[in-house]
Amino acid sequence: AQTVTQSQPEMSVQEAETVTLSCTYDTSENNYYLFWYKQPPSRQMILVIRQEAYKQQNATENRFSVNFQKAAKSFSLKISDSQLGDTAMYFCAFMKPGGVVRFGAGTRLTVKP
Amino acid sequence: NAGVTQTPKFQVLKTGQSMTLQCAQDMNHNSMYWYRQDPGMGLRLIYYSASEGTTDKGEVPNGYNVSRLNKREFSLRLESAAPSQTSVYFCASSGDFSGANVLTFGAGSRLTVL
Repeated sequence: AQTVTQSQPEMSVQEAETVTLSCTYDTSENNYYLFWYKQPPSRQMILVIRQEAYKQQNATENRFSVNFQKAAKSFSLKISDSQLGDTAMYFCAFMKPGGVVRFGAGTRLTVKP
Repeated sequence: NAGVTQTPKFQVLKTGQSMTLQCAQDMNHNSMYWYRQDPGMGLRLIYYSASEGTTDKGEVPNGYNVSRLNKREFSLRLESAAPSQTSVYFCASSGDFSGANVLTFGAGSRLTVL
């Protein structure tokens, strides 16, 4: 079974600075999808960004970008110009085509003013 | 757009009681899921329904049952609640079971079993 590991239970960053959240995964598949979801204090889960394994170009969504290293099975999330509203739990997730989405344990990010 | 609606938002049960969590989506999605969220463990899949008329076990199905009532609705039942089932439960849906399976989540249901 695929596993997703987030080795940083908690992180903090100063407002306007950049932070990188780490994620590694284990799979024997060649084609798959990776996601980052955000869960603010409201508890609502929101998709931040997704990456298709067959695409070499790293995905970007405004201030959020990923560093996808397929050979290393690494999928980190970079948040630039951090804002107070970025304070949340962040979950890395993996899915193979035709499969279900599996989540890591999460990283709690606090943005400090 | 309501998206995914799950009820109730909060529930307290005594050990041995039963209850059903309801979930409905209005996005015409084919696939629906129930996850539970526990501190330090992320979200774990309990059951899912890839399409109307089918259900399958996820990672942690013991103690739960599900019903895909129609394309819109997917309920989760606890027949005899145990303290280990104290958790936050999320229902989610997605348009297709293949491809990039982006999940749309409900707001969550916090269940406490005493």
